Amino acid sequence: QSVLTQPPSVSGTPGEWVTISCSGSSSSIRGNYVYWYRHIPGTAPKLLLYRNGQRPSGVPDRFSGSKSGTSASLAISGLESDDEGDYYCATWDDNLSGVIFGGGTKVTVL
Amino acid sequence: EVQLVETGGALIQPGGSLRLSCVASGVTVSLNYMAWVRQAPGRGLEWVALISNDGSTYYRDSVKGRFSISRDTSENMVYLQMHRLRAEDTALYHCVRDLGRLGGWLGHFDHWGQGTPVTVSS
Repeated sequence: QSVLTQPPSVSGTPGEWVTISCSGSSSSIRGNYVYWYRHIPGTAPKLLLYRNGQRPSGVPDRFSGSKSGTSASLAISGLESDDEGDYYCATWDDNLSGVIFGGGTKVTVL
Repeated sequence: EVQLVETGGALIQPGGSLRLSCVASGVTVSLNYMAWVRQAPGRGLEWVALISNDGSTYYRDSVKGRFSISRDTSENMVYLQMHRLRAEDTALYHCVRDLGRLGGWLGHFDHWGQGTPVTVSS
C-alpha cells in the first residue's frame, strides 16, 4: 500500500485541463520535494517534473506542478492523445528514510 | 549521454539469491546517488534501495536484511545483491540515477535503465 495517495484514473477530452492529486503527510510531502513521472508500459519511466514543479528540458509547459502542505498536484493543460499513460508522484519520507511513490494514476484521453 | 544497462535478472526459486548488475556510462557512479526501482506485474513503481555518493545505503523496509546495494568504482557499476527471495520480489528492476541529495531532495530520478526482469517462482 502506497503512503502517497493518487486517484487511480483521470480522463479528459483533447484540449481539456486535467489535474492529478498526490496526498502525503508531514513526514513526506510537507518537508520534501515532490517529483512526477510518466510511464508508458514497455518503456522506462520518464521524469516529468522535479522539485515540485520544475520541468526538465523537453517537457512542454502544458505540464505544471504545485505543492501545498502535505499535498501536491500535477496539471495537464491542452490534453493531447500522446499524454496517455501512468503518472506517479514521488518524494522522500523522513520516517521511512526512503523514497516513496504514489500508487499511480492512469490518464485516458477520450 | 547517460546510459544505464541492467543485467542479471532471472527465474529463481523462492529462498534463492540473485545479483543484479548495472553498468553506467556518461555518469560516474561514485559521484552520484544511484538507486534501484522496481515494478511488479500490474503494480506501480516501488523504490528498493539507494547508495549515496559517500557510500551510505538506504533500503525499503520489506528488503532490509535481504538486499544489499553496492558499487564498483573501477568498473563504474552498481549492484543489487538479493537473498531469501520471495514471490513478492517478482518485478522488473530498473537502475536509476538520483540527481537529488539528502535533505529532502531525493527522488529525482533523471535517468533510468530499461530494466531486468526477476521472477521468483517454484
